[in-house]
Amino acid sequence: NAGVTQTPKFQVLKTGQSMTLQCAQDMNHEYMSWYRQDPGMGLRLIHYSVGAGITDQGEVPNGYNVSRSTTEDFPLRLLSAAPSQTSVYFCASSPDWGIDSPLHFGNGTRLTVT
Amino acid sequence: DAKTTQPPSMDCAEGRAANLPCNHSTISGNEYVYWYRQIHSQGPQYIIHGLKNNETNEMASLIITEDRKSSTLILPHATLRDTAVYYCIVRVKNAGNMLTFGGGTRLMVKP
Repeated sequence: NAGVTQTPKFQVLKTGQSMTLQCAQDMNHEYMSWYRQDPGMGLRLIHYSVGAGITDQGEVPNGYNVSRSTTEDFPLRLLSAAPSQTSVYFCASSPDWGIDSPLHFGNGTRLTVT
Repeated sequence: DAKTTQPPSMDCAEGRAANLPCNHSTISGNEYVYWYRQIHSQGPQYIIHGLKNNETNEMASLIITEDRKSSTLILPHATLRDTAVYYCIVRVKNAGNMLTFGGGTRLMVKP
């Protein structure tokens, strides 16, 4: 298994541009989520999904959209990039919704918005 | 949410056991203790988790005190590749199934 795969690894955007961060998992996990990590702020939850066709907002959802059309994929869309969205983005998945179910993270996308 | 307290940094000699402590005195009965680590800006890596009993897997052992107010992560034979920030997390049921990472312990394994 490849686990959780994120692409691209690095991205530079200009303010106002849009893009999609890709996340795929091959473990048949029901639960998937997106976090951002900023210096001194820890990881913050952006959006999550408990299964195909179901998504919901996390702690910091503004400026981001998600969809979950398949179990494997959970893309994160930046609608109009802003410098405040410069961050490292991590996708994570777990077999199910329970707190006894470990989250497995991808290796991140490092995004810079100029 | 139950908060955790960890020392900000620790050193360990290569080949020796690394014992990383964590205090979680306000933990509730149905909350799990999780350990993750993050190596040089890679994604957080799951290590181990437990509820009440001690746990062991191929990476580490987790010792939870009987009153559940503290725990210790043990890396039995630390290598240089174990140098990382280690996070102890008390996982609670919440909207989004969110994990809350604190400051962690920066473990430096030295030759």
